[in-house]
Amino acid sequence: EAGVTQFPSHSVIEKGQTVTLRCDPISGHDNLYWYRRVMGKEIKFLLHFVKESKQDESGMPNNRFLAERTGGTYSTLKVQPAELEDSGVYFCASSQESRYSEQFFGPGTRLTVL
Amino acid sequence: RKEVEQDPGPFNVPEGATVAFNCTYSNSASQSFFWYRQDCRKEPKLLMSVYSSGNEDGRFTAQLNRASQYISLLIRDSKLSDSATYLCVVTLGVNDYKLSFGAGTTVTVRA
Repeated sequence: EAGVTQFPSHSVIEKGQTVTLRCDPISGHDNLYWYRRVMGKEIKFLLHFVKESKQDESGMPNNRFLAERTGGTYSTLKVQPAELEDSGVYFCASSQESRYSEQFFGPGTRLTVL
Repeated sequence: RKEVEQDPGPFNVPEGATVAFNCTYSNSASQSFFWYRQDCRKEPKLLMSVYSSGNEDGRFTAQLNRASQYISLLIRDSKLSDSATYLCVVTLGVNDYKLSFGAGTTVTVRA
């Protein structure tokens, strides 16, 4: 069974540009999460989808970040315009329906904003 | 105050040694507890859940102390392959899905 996949694996952009990250969850997983790790800090929750609905977006840092999950399958996270402090590793995770279900993480997208 | 705090280490131990470390969590309402393992530049992977009564999985033993709000992980008979960063993770509420991570404890097992 394929795991969570993320694209791209790396992205280097300049401040002010736009970047879109994509996550494909494990097939059949209704829950999809975005997390990020900025340099020297712990991994932080960004938001949680249940199917196509945003269940919890309390971790989104500001309105430069927009997450979507149209059709309840893959998700995108767009940063517009990117700032230097957005650099870090963005992880996507997915899980089955129970809140006790294990969250499986993707390999992450390493974003560098210059 | 951070939600989850860990000793960053590193813990450098020889093969075959026992290594143990803790993490503390700040919210007494925390419901679920986990240890995740993260290899260098890889994604976190669930190592084990932590139950109130404590639990073992092979060479790994996890304990939960709700009164003192800490979780521990003990690794017996360390292997080179145990070298990794161990992340302490909690969920904060009854209906909470989101994971709160500690910054990780680095363990290096040497030959």
